[in-house]
Amino acid sequence: GAVVSQHPSWVICKSGTSVKIECRSLDFQATTMFWYRQFPKQSLMLMATSNEGSKATYEQGVEKDKFLINHASLTLSTLTVTSAHPEDSSFYICSARVRGREAIGELFFGEGSRLTVL
Amino acid sequence: GQNIDQPTEMTATEGAIVQINCTYQTSGFNGLFWYQQHAGEAPTFLSYNVLDGLEEKGRFSSFLSRSKGYSYLLLKELQMKDSASYLCAVRDPNTDKLIFGTGTRLQVFP
Repeated sequence: GAVVSQHPSWVICKSGTSVKIECRSLDFQATTMFWYRQFPKQSLMLMATSNEGSKATYEQGVEKDKFLINHASLTLSTLTVTSAHPEDSSFYICSARVRGREAIGELFFGEGSRLTVL
Repeated sequence: GQNIDQPTEMTATEGAIVQINCTYQTSGFNGLFWYQQHAGEAPTFLSYNVLDGLEEKGRFSSFLSRSKGYSYLLLKELQMKDSASYLCAVRDPNTDKLIFGTGTRLQVFP
């Protein structure tokens, strides 16, 4: 159980375009979803936290107008990278906390999306 | 501030035992997690410690000492497939977020 599906796995886009990444919890309800960014050989950097039905909370230094997060339901959260530039090229990973198991705090991760901006 | 330290890289031989250390200085503590991440893939959960002591799960064990701000992940009977990055993460009780260390890249040689 606790499967998180993330799409697309990889995407290549031109500079200036927008890219949407979807994160779905397949067999559970996710009260909270987290979006991370990871550069090569580095650890996960938290970008934002999203709760269903409310606005996302962004970490310091993350532009909320550039990285739009929507958490429309308990099973779906999306990250849209607007007007992407080469420096946005990275590995983006979503993770979810299982409803009813928040006390443990374990995160279940999506497969990740590798974004390359030309 | 929040600070979680791990060695950057480690190497070991197939069949051997390796211990990956993690030290943390955080404003709060509500559990420590270890995740495994193969290159180009998402992290997968390995273990969770919230009380002092050793948690054993097959070939992997994790230890926690809250008073020392210290944990380690012990991998026994190493296999080639254990070559991966190992991430230590502390749960912040104030924000309920997981704060990740920089990760330790382990390479297992035949």
